[in-house]
Amino acid sequence: GAGVSQSPSNKVTEKGKDVELRCDPISGHTALYWYRQRLGQGLEFLIYFQGNSAPDKSGLPSDRFSAERTGESVSTLTIQRTQQEDSAVYLCASSPHPRARPDEQFFGPGTRLTVL
Amino acid sequence: GDSVTQMEGPVTLSEEAFLTINCTYTATGYPSLFWYVQYPGEGLQLLLKATKADDKGSNKGFEATYRKETTSFHLEKGSVQVSDSAVYFCALSPNSGGSNYKLTFGKGTLLTVNP
Repeated sequence: GAGVSQSPSNKVTEKGKDVELRCDPISGHTALYWYRQRLGQGLEFLIYFQGNSAPDKSGLPSDRFSAERTGESVSTLTIQRTQQEDSAVYLCASSPHPRARPDEQFFGPGTRLTVL
Repeated sequence: GDSVTQMEGPVTLSEEAFLTINCTYTATGYPSLFWYVQYPGEGLQLLLKATKADDKGSNKGFEATYRKETTSFHLEKGSVQVSDSAVYFCALSPNSGGSNYKLTFGKGTLLTVNP
């Protein structure tokens, strides 16, 4: 079966522009997570969805970041007015169980965002 | 809050040398502990894990033992290879409070193994 997919795989944008990153989780997985990895650092948690609601948005770094999920399926992470410090690999993961440990999550390949 | 402190690199070893990368943590309760590895140009991969005290995680010749008394999870390998050259991250996730999907990472240790 298909794994978690993300698009685009690479995105280069200019400072100040808005970007949308998409995640398609494994079918039937009710939980979805967004993380990012900045260069030379570990993963940072951004947001957790259970179904279409987000009980934990505590990792979103600023109000320029937002995310939504529809149909208990696809999720979109939107970054408005991008800054150079937003450059990172953005990873999406899903799990069949709520609040799964990271080793129990299925990760997508990531979207590499570069803000010039 | 939770934190992870790991040995600063870079670490440079010759092939077949013994490797230790130290990792200590501060957390409420008893977290799950992980080592992740990132090879050049690749994504982060889970290397091994331990979910409770005294557990030993092992994979690809690497081992780490969850030591509650010393709040440590040191990574070891008896004989490193050139192909082990990578950045190694120690991490934890809480086992209580319903936030076990969150990871706290150390800053990473760059390992270079020379032939």
